[in-house]
Amino acid sequence: DAGVTQSPTHLIKTRGQQVTLRCSPKSGHDTVSWYQQALGQGPQFIFQYYEEEERQRGNFPDRFSGHQFPNYSSELNVNALLLGDSALYLCASTHQGSMYEQYFGPGTRLTVT
Amino acid sequence: AQSVSQHNHHVILSEAASLELGCNYSYGGTVNLFWYVQYPGQHLQLLLKYFSGDPLVKGIKGFEAEFIKSKFSFNLRKPSVQWSDTAEYFCAVWGGGNKLTFGTGTQLKVEL
Repeated sequence: DAGVTQSPTHLIKTRGQQVTLRCSPKSGHDTVSWYQQALGQGPQFIFQYYEEEERQRGNFPDRFSGHQFPNYSSELNVNALLLGDSALYLCASTHQGSMYEQYFGPGTRLTVT
Repeated sequence: AQSVSQHNHHVILSEAASLELGCNYSYGGTVNLFWYVQYPGQHLQLLLKYFSGDPLVKGIKGFEAEFIKSKFSFNLRKPSVQWSDTAEYFCAVWGGGNKLTFGTGTQLKVEL
């Protein structure tokens, strides 16, 4: 049983560019959450997707957007990248019936230069 | 809004020493509490969780945590650490809203 997978593993972008990160949830899971983990910090909640809609959003600007597909996989898009967007981006999946049991993927390390 | 404070940012222990990592949360309602661990090069893994009932919860690898409601605390403990426990430990709370709020983490280094 595959766990949560994310791609790519690492990514280097230039300020002002746009980036798309991808996540496939654990088998049987229908809800995907995204977190940003800056160096030396704990993960911070960006948003959550369920039934292809954004259900909850953290304190992140509109430059951060997402999408969930019918197969429950998800994308995180960040526009107009800033140096401060450099971080590890984590995807976590769960099932609506057990919302607290979040399983995390390995993350995508984004570096903005 | 909920928040989590972890007081120890870096901890260095010798093998077999006892461990206690502090965690305090701020939220007025019912909470669910978690400790996650991130081993070097690996993804976040759930160490233990508290939902209700016995405030002393046991997790994997000999870890335990005690929920003290009056102190808004959920401290992590292990009687005897091993070199393989070297990792970063995060306390997290699930209160209002469908999200986890994490502390800033504690980097634990266990020396042989």
